[in-house]
Amino acid sequence: DTEVTQTPKHLVMGMTNKKSLKCEQHMGHRAMYWYKQKAKKPPELMFVYSYEKLSINESVPSRFSPECPNSSLLNLHLHALQPEDSALYLCASSNTRLHEQYFGPGTRLTVT
Amino acid sequence: AQSVTQLDSQVPVFEEAPVELRCNYSSSVSVYLFWYVQYPNQGLQLLLKYLSGSTLVKGINGFEAEFNKSQTSFHLRKPSVHISDTAEYFCAVTPTSGTYKYIFGTGTRLKVLA
Repeated sequence: DTEVTQTPKHLVMGMTNKKSLKCEQHMGHRAMYWYKQKAKKPPELMFVYSYEKLSINESVPSRFSPECPNSSLLNLHLHALQPEDSALYLCASSNTRLHEQYFGPGTRLTVT
Repeated sequence: AQSVTQLDSQVPVFEEAPVELRCNYSSSVSVYLFWYVQYPNQGLQLLLKYLSGSTLVKGINGFEAEFNKSQTSFHLRKPSVHISDTAEYFCAVTPTSGTYKYIFGTGTRLKVLA
């Protein structure tokens, strides 16, 4: 199984809402990533978890809060977002030895 | 620090013609190199990677790439494209030291014309 799943596929939320994005992989990968991708742009790294510990935070605003409950799951908690946070949020995982990343299909987030 | 340059933002090509998508990188340390493809409304899919060894790397869907260390390039090629190859292609690098940081190029939109 080389699949990374993400739920939900689409999410519309108001600026005062709290919501969460979920990512799951069962490939035994110990590195997991959150990226943000705007239209016609490359993915921008937000967070990296390595062995369930946060190892990289790319100065992301605190309205985004990541969580890694176990080696297969990665969450991104959202609170008080701004319209400019509307984007495709991609989750990825990687084998720390082989380095290649496997991406999920993404969650299309719209903030109204 | 590393940077990746994909000079061609769009490449139109007729079906069954060959194509080359260019990627140049800059890095003061050794890097691994990757090509990813993104179809509309989907995530990224790994096409091929260079870690070490032979500089000619073959990937999925008939794509191949050649690593040229002296020119710091990793161009992607396909001898005959199909309509289904229409997508966004991203070149990426990551330091071999294992920092977990992947630096992506700005992408090249390949449009295959009938």
